[in-house]
Amino acid sequence: GQNIDQPTEMTATEGAIVQINCTYQTSGFNGLFWYQQHAGEAPTFLSYNVLDGLEEKGRFSSFLSRSKGYSYLLLKELQMKDSASYLCAVLTSNYQLIWGAGTKLIIKP
Amino acid sequence: SQTIHQWPATLVQPVGSPLSLECTVEGTSNPNLYWYRQAAGRGLQLLFYSVGIGQISSEVPQNLSASRPQDRQFILSSKKLLLSDSGFYLCAWAPGQEYQPQHFGDGTRLSIL
Repeated sequence: GQNIDQPTEMTATEGAIVQINCTYQTSGFNGLFWYQQHAGEAPTFLSYNVLDGLEEKGRFSSFLSRSKGYSYLLLKELQMKDSASYLCAVLTSNYQLIWGAGTKLIIKP
Repeated sequence: SQTIHQWPATLVQPVGSPLSLECTVEGTSNPNLYWYRQAAGRGLQLLFYSVGIGQISSEVPQNLSASRPQDRQFILSSKKLLLSDSGFYLCAWAPGQEYQPQHFGDGTRLSIL
């Protein structure tokens, strides 16, 4: 079967760094997406990784290891507005997008 | 730039009533279109996707149906709603190339009474 695992919930402090992990087992791999979803709103695209390594976009970075079936999203200098759910999604070999259940990130002052 | 419109934002319907949710995309042609449902605190469940006019693929058997009467219009329908149809419905579009991210409309929160 196909499976994506993310922690259900994480808590971090404003100004700190947090790493949200995602592990996957899918039928083939054509890339991994990270989305941010604020409560009651639609998901918005954050990043796409298809090759191993780290992709940096401002305060957000995303890492991929295809051999380990593992990715993480790194958020630096956390702000209260970063409180949201973070969704990991894998594009399989037949271009089907498999979604994780999401990680709810709570930022405390 | 491309934009996606989805309406209504919220909807309260009685059990057994029909449903029609509409989604339109502007600023692009021949997009891939998607309907998702998200239960509270859960991930996204793909319901339907379309790669062209009249081409609909169903992922989950249910009492819902989808249609794509025009290139940039995607409609989600039901003849008789069930209590289990409650949820947050999201329309998304992506360029035809598979590696491009999907972009979502604002969603419709559907409550069945």
